Amino acid sequence: DGGITQSPKYLFRKEGQNVTLSCEQNLNHDAMYWYRQDPGQGLRLIYYSQIVNDFQKGDIAEGYSVSREKKESFPLTVTSAQKNPTAFYLCASLNLRGARGTEAFFGQGTRLTVV
Amino acid sequence: QKEVEQNSGPLSVPEGAIASLNCTYSDRGSQSFFWYRQYSGKSPELIMSIYSNGDKEDGRFTAQLNKASQYVSLLIRDSQPSDSATYLCAVHTNAGKSTFGDGTTLTVKP
Repeated sequence: DGGITQSPKYLFRKEGQNVTLSCEQNLNHDAMYWYRQDPGQGLRLIYYSQIVNDFQKGDIAEGYSVSREKKESFPLTVTSAQKNPTAFYLCASLNLRGARGTEAFFGQGTRLTVV
Repeated sequence: QKEVEQNSGPLSVPEGAIASLNCTYSDRGSQSFFWYRQYSGKSPELIMSIYSNGDKEDGRFTAQLNKASQYVSLLIRDSQPSDSATYLCAVHTNAGKSTFGDGTTLTVKP
């Protein structure tokens, strides 16, 4: 079955550490996205990628970095420069009006907590 | 001004009623519009997409788009308690950017 997988589900980070969140999809979607969601709020766009080896900053990219070396993978690194990283992180993939219609899927999310 | 704004909630309707959710957007270059449903503690799931002006129906859901007014809405007919969730509007530009509103929380009371 096709899907999008995020890992880990829960992650604890010490002050000053960089951590990397994994996102893998086997849907053959070109577009992938990273969002951050704080309690009671909507999704804010961190980074997005339309194609391998290319990505763009979203609305809150400061303190984050990404790579897109493979179509299937879009990892997010939360750096020590991100001052308030505790949040729910969601990865998504999108295929607009493909052979199966429009497909958009989210991973199960990673809850990051700074300790 | 936020790129995507949704009517502030929470919204409460009785079972069997019509729930109406609204969304406005600021980028006139936006081409694709989506409604997602998110249950508490879970990831969003896509329920409707719309690209052209007018109405699009899928079961009990109808999405409406008016590009001139930069407005998109979602109607849920015969609302059920299982429809209780947060509904997120998302707007996608040709450049590939996909931006979400803050969401509207809907409660359907039995």
